[in-house]
Amino acid sequence: QKEVEQNSGPLSVPEGAIASLNCTYSDRVSQSFFWYRQYSGKSPELIMSIYSNGDKEDGRFTAQLNKASQYVSLLIRDSQPSDSATYLCATRGTGGFKTIFGAGTRLFVKA
Amino acid sequence: DAGVIQSPRHEVTEMGQEVTLRCKPISGHNSLFWYRQTMMRGLELLIYFNNNVPIDDSGMPEDRFSAKMPNASFSTLKIQPSEPRDSAVYFCASSLQGWNQPQHFGDGTRLSIL
Repeated sequence: QKEVEQNSGPLSVPEGAIASLNCTYSDRVSQSFFWYRQYSGKSPELIMSIYSNGDKEDGRFTAQLNKASQYVSLLIRDSQPSDSATYLCATRGTGGFKTIFGAGTRLFVKA
Repeated sequence: DAGVIQSPRHEVTEMGQEVTLRCKPISGHNSLFWYRQTMMRGLELLIYFNNNVPIDDSGMPEDRFSAKMPNASFSTLKIQPSEPRDSAVYFCASSLQGWNQPQHFGDGTRLSIL
């Protein structure tokens, strides 16, 4: 079983819609959760981090965490074509330095 | 502030040659990570250092791969001898120590072994 699982997509949404990206993780001691955006040919770029259950909003982005269900999601409101990228979910436990990355979900926002 | 700096950005070399990739972490960051990314395998952690000490190198694929961090501002990943299957994008990332600290990635080195 993969430690961090994401639907590979592609997820296609029309411009202006809400894009919902989901991630599940297997390690219950995970304490930090990160979302990275990676454009084709570029490096991963941190866009959100979340540590507590509930929602965290930053502009058009909302991260949601449910530790009981071992589930973290990223909502992108008012999606734009420039949001088209691969989104990587990552987790980190308290006991070590290692960050575990999912395989990523490809998002296409159609103009 | 300068981010993670990697060099070279692109490397094309022939099979059997030695390849050295370089990384300068963000100043003040004491954790450093080397990753490899391919379409087939995604982002793979090769090795990571904390305070210049290798903590876990279980992701290093073979003895042909080696990594060093002689000081807090410099790390190298070496492949000797290189093989075509080593072709990938190699990323270096750094972070502050701590469970809640995210990693910040360099621009990567696109390596092609002919």
